[in-house]
Amino acid sequence: ETGVTQTPRHLVMGMTNKKSLKCEQHLGHNAMYWYKQSAKKPLELMFVYSLEERVENNSVPSRFSPECPNSSHLFLHLHTLQPEDSALYLCASSEDRNTGELFFGEGSRLTVL
Amino acid sequence: GQNIDQPTEMTATEGAIVQINCTYQTSGFNGLFWYQQHAGEAPTFLSYNVLDGLEEKGRFSSFLSRSKGYSYLLLKELQMKDSASYLCAVRDLYSGAGSYQLTFGKGTKLSVIP
Repeated sequence: ETGVTQTPRHLVMGMTNKKSLKCEQHLGHNAMYWYKQSAKKPLELMFVYSLEERVENNSVPSRFSPECPNSSHLFLHLHTLQPEDSALYLCASSEDRNTGELFFGEGSRLTVL
Repeated sequence: GQNIDQPTEMTATEGAIVQINCTYQTSGFNGLFWYQQHAGEAPTFLSYNVLDGLEEKGRFSSFLSRSKGYSYLLLKELQMKDSASYLCAVRDLYSGAGSYQLTFGKGTKLSVIP
């Protein structure tokens, strides 16, 4: 199995839909992350979880809601998104919240119509 | 806040050497990282510098000068498979997380030509 697995790889949704992105890591890491990657923009950190404790990023709109039921799984719940939210959403994990060596999943390509 | 700057695109010839520069302005600096991202794939970790100087890892080397807020990634004996985006990232104190976190630059798209 690959280290960090994301599903679905591609998702198309309308602005009124509710969907979820899933991430699973098989590396025994204690920290997990959601990043957003848009064209011509740097990777943007959205959320950090360390030992299942959520660390808030206040600049993320509430239409994005993370959930970390255990140290191996991370979800990003999506609700009433906007077309500008279309992007590649990358999940990553690391041994702990302070390390800079992140292991990324392949990403979920989201298109909001 | 953070300000990370790197060239948008570079082209180099197979077998040659290329240097990708990164400048940054940040407070609470705690390390500089380079990641490689092939088109349509996940970023992968390449190197890490926290002290000034050169770190060598095979064909790839990374240099850091903290006083100048400057780093570069040096790729030797370029191969076609090195065509990818190279992301510079700074680890610093991230107030929202209460811990050290990575902030990424926009990336440099390197094209290796025959």
